[in-house]
Amino acid sequence: GQNIDQPTEMTATEGAIVQINCTYQTSGFNGLFWYQQHAGEAPTFLSYNVLDGLEEKGRFSSFLSRSKGYSYLLLKELQMKDSASYLCAVRDRKTGGFKTIFGAGTRLFVKA
Amino acid sequence: DAMVIQNPRYQVTQFGKPVTLSCSQTLNHNVMYWYQQKSSQAPKLLFHYYDKDFNNEADTPDNFQSRRPNTSFCFLDIRSPGLGDAAMYLCATSRVELAEQYFGPGTRLTVT
Repeated sequence: GQNIDQPTEMTATEGAIVQINCTYQTSGFNGLFWYQQHAGEAPTFLSYNVLDGLEEKGRFSSFLSRSKGYSYLLLKELQMKDSASYLCAVRDRKTGGFKTIFGAGTRLFVKA
Repeated sequence: DAMVIQNPRYQVTQFGKPVTLSCSQTLNHNVMYWYQQKSSQAPKLLFHYYDKDFNNEADTPDNFQSRRPNTSFCFLDIRSPGLGDAAMYLCATSRVELAEQYFGPGTRLTVT
């Protein structure tokens, strides 16, 4: 089957670094996405990993280990506006095409 | 600006009264998706179109239908809304199935 696990909530301090983990189980892995979703708003794309390793994009980095079914999103120099839910999404190959499955998200609270 | 537009942002309908939600995009993307998202849950894919090819998810109730009359527009029809269908409905697009998705602001549906 398909399963994505993320911590439900995390709290971190402004200016600090936080790592949000995601583990997944899929039958036909074909890429992993991270999205940010502020309360009451639509998700916005942050990063994409399909090969093992670290992808860096400004204050945000994402890491993937396909053999371990594991990814993390690293947020540096945290700002108050980073308080949001962070959704891990895995693209799975299925008969006739692909399907993106979302995790339930990790709610990040950034405190002063 | 190129974007994904959803109308209306808030929709109230009565139990059992058909309702249609609309989505349009100026990105000229091939793929359009409809997701249902309930509070604190992951977005759940209902179906998607690749061009005119309709792809229904196995667990999407028959109560939910979709139409894509052209590249720009996609509609979600709920034939007989139940109280359990109250949710945020997100439309998303991607250039191809392998690419990241761009989400509209969502339509929050209330069923009375």
